Parts: sequence; structure tokens; C-alpha cells
Amino acid sequence: EPEVTQTPSHQVTQMGQEVILRCVPISNHLYFYWYRQILGQKVEFLVSFYNNEISEKSEIFDDQFSVERPDGSNFTLKIRSTKLEDSAMYFCASSSQGARGTEAFFGQGTRLTVV
Amino acid sequence: EDKVVQSPLSLVVHEGDTVTLNCSYEVTNFRSLLWYKQEKKAPTFLFMLTSSGIEKKSGRLSSILDKKELFSILNITATQTGDSAIYLCAVGLSGTYKYIFGTGTRLKVLA
Repeated sequence: EPEVTQTPSHQVTQMGQEVILRCVPISNHLYFYWYRQILGQKVEFLVSFYNNEISEKSEIFDDQFSVERPDGSNFTLKIRSTKLEDSAMYFCASSSQGARGTEAFFGQGTRLTVV
Repeated sequence: EDKVVQSPLSLVVHEGDTVTLNCSYEVTNFRSLLWYKQEKKAPTFLFMLTSSGIEKKSGRLSSILDKKELFSILNITATQTGDSAIYLCAVGLSGTYKYIFGTGTRLKVLA
């Protein structure tokens, strides 16, 4: 069964460092997303990506964050100058249509710990 | 502000019990409501509901949407310990690409 794959599963980084979280969405999907879940809190939308550009982003997704689809399969989230409060589980998701039409399938997540 | 509220926040039952989880929403431009099961990490998709009154069913799980009263329920019959998880409700909106999640209901099924 097709699935969304994320690497690494766990990343520990020093405050101020840059991290790149990687995702391989389901191959025939066109819409890609990043969500995050701070421990004990709701899953929060960060950004959606379609046709090689950001289609929507939340207030959380400021200049510290960027996304990229560097090739035909990977979808990355870069966090520059990490802060303690960036510690969270980051989920990548993909769907064949936008949130208007179909369900999104989620990866297993990357647990980011900023120390 | 768009809002999705789930209740109860947590629930402990015994194997064989039936549970009903609730999700209510106040959003502009409702498009769809989704239920996910989150065990250790990734939310795994259960149901997507777009029309009122049509029950979706998968094994012991079923769900229905009421667009007039703005809520959905997820029923699990004959619960098993493997049903222990956090159940997430998410709403998709027309005109946007995002889903808005509720806080989830933590279900624990005791043997």
C-alpha cells in the first residue's frame, strides 16, 4: 500500500542550528502539506504546496521556515535558526486533491527536539 | 475563528463496550470532515464525510455527519484493546488547502 515516508524519525539539534526534514509523498499525489504537533497539543497546519509553489501557509510558517520540492519525489521542510519552541512532531502529508476534495495521508512524523 | 471541538477528551472502557466519540465544528465554508486514528505516531485515515445523514462503516467503526447541527460522531462497537488510541477529527474547508484538527479523544480500552 502506498505511504508517505519521512526521514529522519527523530532529530536532535542545538538551538540556532538549521534542520531539514524530508518527506517522500505518495507518488501520484499532487498536494503536499506539513503539519506539526507540539507534545500534548493539537495538530496544526503549517503549509500546503501545489504545482511547485506554496498554496497556503499559516501564521506559524514565518521566514524561519521554507519548503522545497528539489526533485520529483522529495518534499522538504527547512527550519532555520531553530528555537526551543520548535520542538514538536512534524508530519508530512499528501493528497490527490486539495483539502476540498479528498483525504490526506500522513507520514510517521519526525520528532524534532531542540536543545 | 474556525474551531473544531472533540469530546470527551479521554475515555476509559472495557473490552466489548461500545463508545461514541463526538466532534463539533464552527467553521466557514465547510467542505468535509475526516476522522483519523493516531496510535504512536502518524494519524491514519478512517473516514471522510461530506454529506449529512449518510453513515460510513468499516468493520466495527462507523461515522455519521450532521451538517445542520454541525457535528459528527464516531462509533466503535465491541471495542478491543487494539482500539486504544487518540481519535482525531479534522475539517476541510472550501477555498483553502488546510485541515483544521480538534484536540482529539484519547481512548483506552482495558482487557
